Amino acid sequence: DSGVTQTPKHLITATGQRVTLRCSPRSGDLSVYWYQQSLDQGLQFLIQYYNGEERAKGNILERFSAQQFPDLHSELNLSSLELGDSALYFCASSRTGIAGYTFGSGTRLTVV
Amino acid sequence: GESVGLHLPTLSVQEGDNSIINCAYSNSASDYFIWYKQESGKGPQFIIDIRSNMDKRQGQRVTVLLNKTVKHLSLQIAATQPGDSAVYFCAERAGGGADGLTFGKGTHLIIQP
Repeated sequence: DSGVTQTPKHLITATGQRVTLRCSPRSGDLSVYWYQQSLDQGLQFLIQYYNGEERAKGNILERFSAQQFPDLHSELNLSSLELGDSALYFCASSRTGIAGYTFGSGTRLTVV
Repeated sequence: GESVGLHLPTLSVQEGDNSIINCAYSNSASDYFIWYKQESGKGPQFIIDIRSNMDKRQGQRVTVLLNKTVKHLSLQIAATQPGDSAVYFCAERAGGGADGLTFGKGTHLIIQP
């Protein structure tokens, strides 16, 4: 157990729908990162939050958004889902913002 | 755009032999590099990291080498064990305060008995 908790583990939904993925970082970690892993694109950085504030943005689509709450858990919202959004979504956390952050086990999203 | 890539998608080695996984990166501004291991059904697991002001770092059974001249990174695993079978990713941080990592495509390491 890495200490980073992601729920749900699996999610199946239809195109056009909206889903929310949840991440609880390791105790004491202030930074949360979201990554998407697909077969054709590999692991892609989406967005980072640090202590509630957006810190960095990667290849995140406008249909996707995220936030980090006062208790430091984070949610990734995916809307107007397309078949191509099917992927593994990973959350990672770290204390100082880098230095080998710890990944959760991921949420497997299947859009049908 | 700039990206991190791996030379070999699959590497098969005999149990007990040493493994070397290579990675080329193209962003000369990258200041930090990490190797991750990902087993089936799990998230990436940190193995070892190295900052750009170093050229070698050793851990337990693993060594990372960084050659900034040719923008090359390698991961050496000594005396490979069946539990080393996984996909290995190199990742780089672009520097300038940005913390998001750019990952390579991955190398699948297969340990033969």
